[in-house]
Amino acid sequence: AQSVSQHNHHVILSEAASLELGCNYSYGGTVNLFWYVQYPGQHLQLLLKYFSGDPLVKGIKGFEAEFIKSKFSFNLRKPSVQWSDTAEYFCALRAGAGNMLTFGGGTRLMVKP
Amino acid sequence: EAGVAQSPRYKIIEKRQSVAFWCNPISGHATLYWYQQILGQGPKLLIQFQNNGVVDDSQLPKDRFSAERLKGVDSTLKIQPAKLEDSAVYLCASSLEYEQFFGPGTRLTVL
Repeated sequence: AQSVSQHNHHVILSEAASLELGCNYSYGGTVNLFWYVQYPGQHLQLLLKYFSGDPLVKGIKGFEAEFIKSKFSFNLRKPSVQWSDTAEYFCALRAGAGNMLTFGGGTRLMVKP
Repeated sequence: EAGVAQSPRYKIIEKRQSVAFWCNPISGHATLYWYQQILGQGPKLLIQFQNNGVVDDSQLPKDRFSAERLKGVDSTLKIQPAKLEDSAVYLCASSLEYEQFFGPGTRLTVL
């Protein structure tokens, strides 16, 4: 069975700091990977996704993620965070047949103004 | 484009009572999902429908949870009887292809 691990549960940064959130997965076959974000009081929304091709994918609001197959990782990055990036971030995996997503436990990011 | 709608947004019940949640997916989305998100954890899939047929319900506690999607559009998720550990946010999502769109969720508190 597949699984997703997000090792950072809480991250606190000051504005303009760089961000990297870790995501590691466990699955031996082909995967699709996603980052979802949940802003305070809002519903989950897609930040970016990786299906195939260029392992560096760019998403909305200046976020990007790099798929490193040899490390089973899909870390999320942003060069300079803003206060409005305060949210909870979830990494998710789609593996095998069907469209089932397996989510990590989430990382709560707080950006101090 | 209207998003995924869910109701109610909040529900408080006592253990052993029953409760039902409703979801209206984005128009035209054939696939509908119900997830359970316990505080401090990521969402966990409970059941997936393709039109009005069940694709995956392997993680649905069938002794107390049931779900249906009549006519391949709206869906209801029921818990009967509820336990304390059912306290969570119940998320509904729908998809046309691979991207899933989530609703606001129903926050259930079981006392």
